[in-house]
Amino acid sequence: KAGVTQTPRYLIKTRGQQVTLSCSPISGHRSVSWYQQTPGQGLQFLFEYFSETQRNKGNFPGRFSGRQFSNSRSEMNVSTLELGDSALYLCASSLASLAGVETQYFGPGTRLLVL
Amino acid sequence: GQQVMQIPQYQHVQEGEDFTTYCNSSTTLSNIQWYKQRPGGHPVFLIQLVKSGEVKKQKRLTFQFGEAKKNSSLHITATQTTDVGTYFCAGNRRNSGGSNYKLTFGKGTLLTVNP
Repeated sequence: KAGVTQTPRYLIKTRGQQVTLSCSPISGHRSVSWYQQTPGQGLQFLFEYFSETQRNKGNFPGRFSGRQFSNSRSEMNVSTLELGDSALYLCASSLASLAGVETQYFGPGTRLLVL
Repeated sequence: GQQVMQIPQYQHVQEGEDFTTYCNSSTTLSNIQWYKQRPGGHPVFLIQLVKSGEVKKQKRLTFQFGEAKKNSSLHITATQTTDVGTYFCAGNRRNSGGSNYKLTFGKGTLLTVNP
């Protein structure tokens, strides 16, 4: 099975711009989660989507948004970029079930640099 | 909200020495997962512990889940240079509404090994 893919892998933006990141989960996985990873804060949960619905949300401002399509692919958008948004953005997919959050399969990430 | 604390933040060992990282949750967990992230890579799932007091082994790695399901540890015996990376625990629990689960990552322990 192909793994989780994320595009683009690297991105440079300037303050005030917006950015859209894309994630294609493993085939058959219906849950997609997004994380922000920075050296100081570790892995911080942004949101989780399941069957096109946001099921969980972390403590990020409204500038961070996401969506999931019917084929389980997901996008996240960050508007009005700030310098502090520079980070590695990781997408993870899982089978997901009522038994709990299943194993997270992470993609390679998108490294975003805001200048 | 739920917090998952992980210590130590960094650990440097000589090759052959043992290593342990500890994870503590402020609330009772449904289960706990462990991940490893190599430098420049993305987190990769290692194991999931579900039962109170559970102990699982993977070669030189031993994982424990506390009796109260609030803490966990990962112990590596006789470290090797291939063990270098950041080890994350992730606590899984039902959210406040009880309708679904939320996974919260610790900040990780960066292990470096001197050959």
